[in-house]
Amino acid sequence: DQQVKQNSPSLSVQEGRISILNCDYTNSMFDYFLWYKKYPAEGPTFLISISSIKDKNEDGRFTVFLNKSAKHLSLHIVPSQPGDSAVYFCAATRQGNTPLVFGKGTRLSVIA
Amino acid sequence: KAGVTQTPRYLIKTRGQQVTLSCSPISGHRSVSWYQQTPGQGLQFLFEYFSETQRNKGNFPGRFSGRQFSNSRSEMNVSTLELGDSALYLCASSPGADSNQPQHFGDGTRLSIL
Repeated sequence: DQQVKQNSPSLSVQEGRISILNCDYTNSMFDYFLWYKKYPAEGPTFLISISSIKDKNEDGRFTVFLNKSAKHLSLHIVPSQPGDSAVYFCAATRQGNTPLVFGKGTRLSVIA
Repeated sequence: KAGVTQTPRYLIKTRGQQVTLSCSPISGHRSVSWYQQTPGQGLQFLFEYFSETQRNKGNFPGRFSGRQFSNSRSEMNVSTLELGDSALYLCASSPGADSNQPQHFGDGTRLSIL
């Protein structure tokens, strides 16, 4: 049972445009969500997170939106840059020192 | 501030052997988690250690084990290796007091089983 789903394995976007990566979850107990970026031969790098008490969190070019009723979150990257080309993982957890549950990732390609 | 360090970076073993992977967390971090990543799969949680105690465990067979030392460094051991154990093994650390703190990952150990 996959509790965190990233239904798009890949996404291509032109440089300067918006990239939107989507993530759905099934466990309503999740209350903290994170996005990680991973380059080949490197470990995942933390990008941005959001608590379930918020519906939006912004950090520079990166914004995460949370829709609790739809159990859906999305990561917006504006403007997209070639260096953003990587695999993006969505992760979720709930309070109480429980493990992160990851989606399978979306490969973003930003084309110059 | 030094990041999470995993050694070795690459390892080749044969079926039936055992292997030990090492992880040094960020200084001051007390929680260390291990994940397995295989092609087409996300990161699958193996276990988490906090203050030398296993705090959480994923759905992996008993061949996968770990431990944490008093300096927070952690090791992961896999016994009786199988071909399906070929994967990237990632270690992540966090301060540990609260799960709502981002984990920071090392670059992983790529294990290949022949």
